[in-house]
Amino acid sequence: EVQVLESGGGLVQPGGSLRLSCETSGFTFSSSALNWVRQAPGKGLEWVSTIGDRDNTYYAEPVRGRFTMSRDLSKSTVFLQMNSLRADDTAVYYCAKGWFWADSWGQGTLVTVSS
Amino acid sequence: QSALTQPPSASGSPGQSVTISCTGTSSDISGHNYVSWYQQHPGKAPKLIIYEVSKRPSGVPDRFSGSKSGNTASLTVSGLQADDEADYYCGSYAPPHRVFGGGTKLTVL
Repeated sequence: EVQVLESGGGLVQPGGSLRLSCETSGFTFSSSALNWVRQAPGKGLEWVSTIGDRDNTYYAEPVRGRFTMSRDLSKSTVFLQMNSLRADDTAVYYCAKGWFWADSWGQGTLVTVSS
Repeated sequence: QSALTQPPSASGSPGQSVTISCTGTSSDISGHNYVSWYQQHPGKAPKLIIYEVSKRPSGVPDRFSGSKSGNTASLTVSGLQADDEADYYCGSYAPPHRVFGGGTKLTVL
C-alpha cells in the first residue's frame, strides 16, 4: 500500500524559512516522481514543484528561486525548502506521487506565514 | 502556467447526470492525453478519479467518466449520489510543469 506522510508545517514570520518533509513507502521511490501541491484556505489546488527520478526539478513561477525540492533515496523522503516566505504562501501543502498525474496524496501539512 | 478554467459550481438531483468542463490551451489539454480529475471532500486530501483523459483507477465507480475534445476536457458523473457532493479539480501535464483547474463545487440537490 502506498503511503505518503507530510510533516514540518507551522507558523513562520514573513521572510522566514521552513522545511517540509514527505516520507513515503509502498512503491519504488527511486523510479518515481513526487510533487508538492498547495491549497490556500478556501481556494483551489496549485501545483508547486515536481522532482523526477533523475533528480530533475521543476517549479511554479510564484515559488521559483525561493523554494527548493530535493530527495533522500535512503529514506524514501522528499523535502521542500521554503525561503523568503510571504503571506500568500499560507496554505496546506500536499505531497503527491506521480509524473503525469498524482495517484497518491498525503493528508497535507499547514504552513501559516504571519507576523 | 495559467490555471485551467472550470465552472465554479454544478448541481444535479440524485440519479441524474452532471458534466463538468475544463478548458485549457494547446500547451496543456490539447497537446497530449495527460488530463486527470480529482475529487476532494471537505477537510480531506484530493483523490484521483480519472487519469489519461478517461481511465479510472481501481476502485473508482464507472459512474465517473472522462473525455476530451480540443482544448476542453470533461468529467461526467452519472447516477448522482449524495456522496458525490464534493469539489472536483481537473489537472494537466503542461511540460515541464503541471496545472490545475480552479475547481468546481458539485452539489447534489
